[in-house]
Amino acid sequence: EVQLLESGGDLIQPGGSLRLSCAASGFTFTNYAMSWVRQAPGKGLEWVSLISGSGDTTYYADSVRGRFAISRDNYRNILYVQMNSLRAEDTALYYCAKNRGYEGLLSNFDIWGQGTMVTVSS
Amino acid sequence: IQMTQSPSTLSASVGDRVTITCRASQSISSWLAWYQQKPGKAPNLLIYKASSLESGVPSRFSGSKSETEFTLTISSLQPDDFATYYCQQYNSLPWTFGQGTKVEIK
Repeated sequence: EVQLLESGGDLIQPGGSLRLSCAASGFTFTNYAMSWVRQAPGKGLEWVSLISGSGDTTYYADSVRGRFAISRDNYRNILYVQMNSLRAEDTALYYCAKNRGYEGLLSNFDIWGQGTMVTVSS
Repeated sequence: IQMTQSPSTLSASVGDRVTITCRASQSISSWLAWYQQKPGKAPNLLIYKASSLESGVPSRFSGSKSETEFTLTISSLQPDDFATYYCQQYNSLPWTFGQGTKVEIK
């Protein structure tokens, strides 16, 4: 069964850092690009970041560029996002999502994890 | 690219034909997906490339395209279909979603 399991969400003070993880199983992880998508409480969906299957290429939404860093461990089948300089507006449920293709461009999300909650508040 | 989804809320009864529209601010070819999200759950892919039905999704769901206007149709609404629906363009980064359509019981 294809599965994505996020972890690492927490309550963190503004300006703090946090690393989220997403453990993948049930598919050949290295063959697919992966993304992070977030959803603020009661709001819609916002794409955050994309990484290619090899991990060589990364993309970011303007709202997080320079503060977040996406990475992956293709040996352990884990996706990460390192989040620095966190702001109140980063408060959201963070989903990892599998892209349909290897590079990620022109590919939708076909599998989603259950999400991990990040709350940025003093 | 802005995705304008309408309506924001829709009240319907079981058996109704339901249509949700999403308009892109510029051409996105057919690079559009539709997702269903139930409360407390992750989104679930229904349609990709504007009109391709994801494996395992009931055939009452269908998608269509007319230039930059995209439509999700549920041919006969079932109790399990009451949820929020989002469109998403993946033609160019940053990928963007519509604001969502909540389908409620009438």
